[in-house]
Amino acid sequence: NAGVTQTPKFQVLKTGQSMTLQCAQDMNHNSMYWYRQDPGMGLRLIYYSASEGTTDKGEVPNGYNVSRLNKREFSLRLESAAPSQTSVYFCASSGVGRGTQYFGPGTRLLVL
Amino acid sequence: QQPVQSPQAVILREGEDAVINCSSSKALYSVHWYRQKHGEAPVFLMILLKGGEQKGHEKISASFNEKKQQSSLYLTASQLSYSGTYFCGTESQGAQKLVFGQGTRLTINP
Repeated sequence: NAGVTQTPKFQVLKTGQSMTLQCAQDMNHNSMYWYRQDPGMGLRLIYYSASEGTTDKGEVPNGYNVSRLNKREFSLRLESAAPSQTSVYFCASSGVGRGTQYFGPGTRLLVL
Repeated sequence: QQPVQSPQAVILREGEDAVINCSSSKALYSVHWYRQKHGEAPVFLMILLKGGEQKGHEKISASFNEKKQQSSLYLTASQLSYSGTYFCGTESQGAQKLVFGQGTRLTINP
């Protein structure tokens, strides 16, 4: 089992460019999450999907959109990247809403 | 609202003990603890459910006081491998998501 996988591992964007971060899990989990991590800020929830077909905003959703493509895949889209979105992005999944969350390896995004 | 962790950083010698606290202003259903090594993803340590349950994981244990909305993580006889940043994640009643604290950086020196 690969667990939670994320692509790409690293990306450099120019201000205004768009991109999609991909996340997939092979643990048959219902819930999936997108976090961003900035120095000294901990992990902040951007969006989550409690089950296939549903998505909800987290603490910091502005500037992002998500798609729960199927039970396995949950993507995060930046429509017009800004330098403030420079961060490390983690995807996570859990079997039920309040179960253990398993994290992917992260995507390091630099917006110039 | 983000839970508050204290202290923000701890430096220990191998074999010493440490306590990391996590405090929330909201009524909690559960508290999760994770450890993150530099450049890696957070890794789950344990979940504590309301009821004042105490759990253990090797020489790492935790408690949850639901009345005070606080949890503490205890690291006993610390090992070099315990170094990293520890995060608590809190879940409020009815929520299906966690809110993480800002983290506590633990450094263990030989």
